[in-house]
Amino acid sequence: AQKVTQAQTEISVVEKEDVTLDCVYETRDTTYYLFWYKQPPSGELVFLIRRNSFDEQNEISGRYSWNFQKSTSSFNFTITASQVVDSAVYFCALSGDNFNKFYFGSGTKLNVKP
Amino acid sequence: DAGVIQSPRHEVTEMGQEVTLRCKPISGHNSLFWYRQTMMRGLELLIYFNNNVPIDDSGMPEDRFSAKMPNASFSTLKIQPSEPRDSAVYFCASSGGTGSMNTEAFFGQGTRLTVV
Repeated sequence: AQKVTQAQTEISVVEKEDVTLDCVYETRDTTYYLFWYKQPPSGELVFLIRRNSFDEQNEISGRYSWNFQKSTSSFNFTITASQVVDSAVYFCALSGDNFNKFYFGSGTKLNVKP
Repeated sequence: DAGVIQSPRHEVTEMGQEVTLRCKPISGHNSLFWYRQTMMRGLELLIYFNNNVPIDDSGMPEDRFSAKMPNASFSTLKIQPSEPRDSAVYFCASSGGTGSMNTEAFFGQGTRLTVV
């Protein structure tokens, strides 16, 4: 079965704090893909990153970084020096080999206060 | 590219009426998805197509819901008759890969449906 768990329902931080959003996944596929999406208050879903199961290198993009660990089936997302504009709901997603079907977690709402 | 285009952006309708949501995927993408988002249930996959063929419609809530993809550039999601519990934001998404060429899905801006 494919499943994505985002245990943190809501997180509040003060601007400039670092924050990590957790994502744990379950899959039986040997090849799979992990994603993070951002949904700001305006409602659209914005793609942030894609990671392949055979590439465990961590990735950094500006203030964003992602830590992929197959040993713990986790794909965590860290925002460094958070800003108010980072306030959004963040979704982790998983897809396997089956025609690109996506499984989304329940999302983590991040509130960054000034 | 204009991205995934959905119409209408907002729809308010009376219970019992037919509602049709429309989606134009990104040109060249061969997978198309319909999702529904509510506070209670989060993001639910309703149906997805690959090369215009419905692959999995197990998420379609009931027979009142139907989806079609007559060609690679257009899809519809129809609710007939609509009920208040259908009120939600409906997203269409498309992606370019199949099998081992999975790629990310790009979402439209959604249609906010309110059934009164």
